[in-house]
Amino acid sequence: SYVLTQPPSVSVAPGKTARISCGGNNIGSKSVHWYQQKPGQAPVLVIYSDTDRPSGIPERFSGSNSGNAATLTISRVETGDEADYYCQVWDLRSDPNVLFGGGTKLTVL
Amino acid sequence: EVQLVESGGGLVQPGGSLRLSCAASGFTFSSYAMSWVRQAPGKGLEWVSAISNSGDSTYYADSVKGRFTISRDSSRNTLYLQMNSLRAEDTAVYYCAKAPYSYAETNFDYWGQGTLVTVSS
Repeated sequence: SYVLTQPPSVSVAPGKTARISCGGNNIGSKSVHWYQQKPGQAPVLVIYSDTDRPSGIPERFSGSNSGNAATLTISRVETGDEADYYCQVWDLRSDPNVLFGGGTKLTVL
Repeated sequence: EVQLVESGGGLVQPGGSLRLSCAASGFTFSSYAMSWVRQAPGKGLEWVSAISNSGDSTYYADSVKGRFTISRDSSRNTLYLQMNSLRAEDTAVYYCAKAPYSYAETNFDYWGQGTLVTVSS
């Protein structure tokens, strides 16, 4: 079955750039979506269809997807960006289903 | 404003049943696909089930196939999840989530606040 692999944790200093990867076999051929989840809250969509930002999401959030890895990039990181981040795809093979990565805890030092 | 409000969670014994509801407002419910996503305590997100806007297409995770049934009632603007033969590993917060299109094979643009299901004797 298809698997999405994320690093468990990423740390970054305020004002720097954080990059969170999501690995999967030929993931570049799929549409990748990213969610931010803060403690005790529901997830929030921050990037959809690899690179698009929903309204209300700061331009500091961007995405890319190629080959075997998709990446969520957060520029000029703020303390309020500290959260868990999940990537998501649909596996549209014989039995369509949704896959989430295991999640990455972003810590702002 | 889009609002999704889940209800129906609680404590249930192993082997028992529970029906979750998700009341939708602020958008034309019958036009959009919907999903259920769960999160076990301290764990990551796990997709459970999805349904197209018309209800004609439904999808299930292998972990719940044959035990859970997703449905929707557009006259009540409500999404349901009937959960039977519950197991301890079904313990989680269950979120309902809206798709931005009529078909389910996409992202989730709005989420409810979740309802906790605890399966324990």
